[in-house]
Amino acid sequence: QVTLRESGPALVKSTQTLTLTCTFSGFSLSTSGMCVTWVRQPPGKALEWLALIEWDDDKYYSTSLKTRLTISKDTSKNQVVLTMTNLDPVDTATYYCARKEGYGYALDYWGQGTLVTVSS
Amino acid sequence: DIQMTQSPSTLSASVGDRVTITCRASQSISSWLAWYQQKPGKAPKLLIYKASSLESGVPSRFSGSGSGTEFTLTISSLQPDDYATFYCQQYNSYPWTFGQGTKVEIK
Repeated sequence: QVTLRESGPALVKSTQTLTLTCTFSGFSLSTSGMCVTWVRQPPGKALEWLALIEWDDDKYYSTSLKTRLTISKDTSKNQVVLTMTNLDPVDTATYYCARKEGYGYALDYWGQGTLVTVSS
Repeated sequence: DIQMTQSPSTLSASVGDRVTITCRASQSISSWLAWYQQKPGKAPKLLIYKASSLESGVPSRFSGSGSGTEFTLTISSLQPDDYATFYCQQYNSYPWTFGQGTKVEIK
C-alpha cells in the first residue's frame, strides 16, 4: 500500500526558510524510474509544480522558484525533503508531495497536503 | 516553460450530461498529458495519463484524447460525484506545468 505524508511547520515568518518532509511507504525511491515531486496550491488557486527528484538523484525545479528551492532524498528513511528560502506571504499554500512510478506514468499517489501560512 | 491553457474555466452541467474539457499546450507535448480531479480540501486524484490511458479504478465514463498540443477530457454521463475541479498537466519536459483548472458545477 503506497502512502505519502507531508510534514513541516504550519506557520512561518517572512524571509525565513521552510523545510518540508515527505515520508512515504509502499515503494522505494531507489527503484529505477521512481520519482517524488512537490506541488503547491495557494488557497482558491490552481496547482503549481515545484520540484522533482528521481531515483538516480537527478533533480528538476520550477523556473520561477529554482533559486529558492532545494530538493533532496534520504532513501534509507524513505523521505524527500524540500527546502524553500526567503519566504513571502504569497508562498502561503497547501504543499503536496506525490510520486511517479516510472516512464510514461503520471502522479498516481499523493499525500494529503500540509497548509503552510507565511506571516509578514 | 510550456504553458497549459484549459477551457472553459467554469462549466455548469446537469447529471447525465456529456461534458468535455479542453487543454491546449503552447508547444507539442506528444502524449505526455495527465488529467486530475480535485475536490475541495482533498488532494488531486489521477484520472488519465499518457493522454488517453485510464488510471486503474477510475470509472469508464472518463476518457481522454488528443496528442501534440490539443487534448480533451470527456465525461460521458456526469454523475453527482463528478462535481469537482479538473486539471491537466504536461510531463513531456521540465519544468512540468498544470493548467489553471476547470470547475464543473451543478446546473
